[in-house]
Amino acid sequence: EIVLTQSPLSSPVTLGQATSISCKSSRNLVHSDGWTYLSWLHQRPGQPPRILIYKVYNRFAGVPDRFSGSGSGTDFTLKISRVEPEDLGIYYCMQATPFPGTWTFGQGTRVDLK
Amino acid sequence: QVTVRESGPTVVKPTQTLTLTCTFSGFSLTGGGMSVSWVRQPPGKALEWLAVIYWNGEEHYSTSLKTRLTISKGTSENQVVLRMTNMDPVDTATYYCARIRTNDVLTGYNYYFMDVWGNGTSVTVSS
Repeated sequence: EIVLTQSPLSSPVTLGQATSISCKSSRNLVHSDGWTYLSWLHQRPGQPPRILIYKVYNRFAGVPDRFSGSGSGTDFTLKISRVEPEDLGIYYCMQATPFPGTWTFGQGTRVDLK
Repeated sequence: QVTVRESGPTVVKPTQTLTLTCTFSGFSLTGGGMSVSWVRQPPGKALEWLAVIYWNGEEHYSTSLKTRLTISKGTSENQVVLRMTNMDPVDTATYYCARIRTNDVLTGYNYYFMDVWGNGTSVTVSS
């Protein structure tokens, strides 16, 4: 079973500042088709998660370009270049292994104000 | 417009079976391209993936819960049902249904991410 470990678990930030979140996998996430199905989601209090990044570095439609994803194999990073008030909340990385069909979330990283 | 909505009981007793329904619109589970998954979140805790039903009818489950879970297409074409047996207070959580953008049928390009989520339904397990 794949385990995703995020760090830090808490990231106090100043608005306008950059921040990064790491997601490390217990196994190489490159699928047999050569692609890596690692995505990032954001959840505000009381709301469902929403997709930010898919397949490591692809921004979902409407996601601001201050969000960027990078990484390969077992190590992945989400970077927010300038944190805005609406960016506060919890960020999750998630991996998909389409076949045999396993999906895993990281434990979440809380981004809040210093 | 794509929408996803969860429905089911708000309270179940220990040992009972929970049945949740995901009702969706704006996409189809047949013909490829889209799939549906269930995810839960205990109060104050992280997201936990439960199960997925792919466009081709394949079902896959969380390793730790697979003996208790069944995911299936509903009686209506726009529904997916999740059943979880032998409920326990630790199963108290908000249960989410999410659409998975699986692949582009025309190009064959694969995606495999959850792009549309319901608002979730809160389930409390208590006697």
